[in-house]
Amino acid sequence: DGGITQSPKYLFRKEGQNVTLSCEQNLNHDAMYWYRQDPGQGLRLIYYSQIVNDFQKGDIAEGYSVSREKKESFPLTVTSAQKNPTAFYLCASTGQGVDNEQFFGPGTRLTVL
Amino acid sequence: DQQVKQNSPSLSVQEGRISILNCDYTNSMFDYFLWYKKYPAEGPTFLISISSIKDKNEDGRFTVFLNKSAKHLSLHIVPSQPGDSAVYFCAAKSLGSWGKLQFGAGTQVVVTP
Repeated sequence: DGGITQSPKYLFRKEGQNVTLSCEQNLNHDAMYWYRQDPGQGLRLIYYSQIVNDFQKGDIAEGYSVSREKKESFPLTVTSAQKNPTAFYLCASTGQGVDNEQFFGPGTRLTVL
Repeated sequence: DQQVKQNSPSLSVQEGRISILNCDYTNSMFDYFLWYKKYPAEGPTFLISISSIKDKNEDGRFTVFLNKSAKHLSLHIVPSQPGDSAVYFCAAKSLGSWGKLQFGAGTQVVVTP
């Protein structure tokens, strides 16, 4: 089945540790996105990538880093510089065409202790 | 500054009745609008979209209305069913934004028997 997978579903880390969240898609989509959701807020864009080996900062990129070495994969690293990393992280992708909707993965709940 | 606003954080509606969700936007460059539905601890799923060249789009029980002059759109769900209980996000993008979406804060819909 085509789709987006994110792993793990739940992740716990100690404060000060970097952590990498996985996102894989087999939809052959060019563009991929990372969002963060906090209670009572909408989804906020962290980073996005339109093609392999290229990515752009979103609205809240500070304290995060990404890579896009393969079309299928867009991992997100939450660094120790992120002041409030506990959140629900969502990965999305979209195909070509300006009207195509974004497809989302199931999300990763990150809790920093 | 939030460019997409959903001013009602919650909505309670009886089963079989109409649910009306509202969304306002400030950016006049937005030309494509989407509604997503989200269950707890899951990724959002696409519901319905509308281009700025239209004022209405229908898909089964879901209808989206767009009033460009008022920068306002609404989602109508008729009839409401218990499975519609979820958070609904309004999102918007502008031409040439490479699929970057701006999301509202969401409206929690509860459908009661």
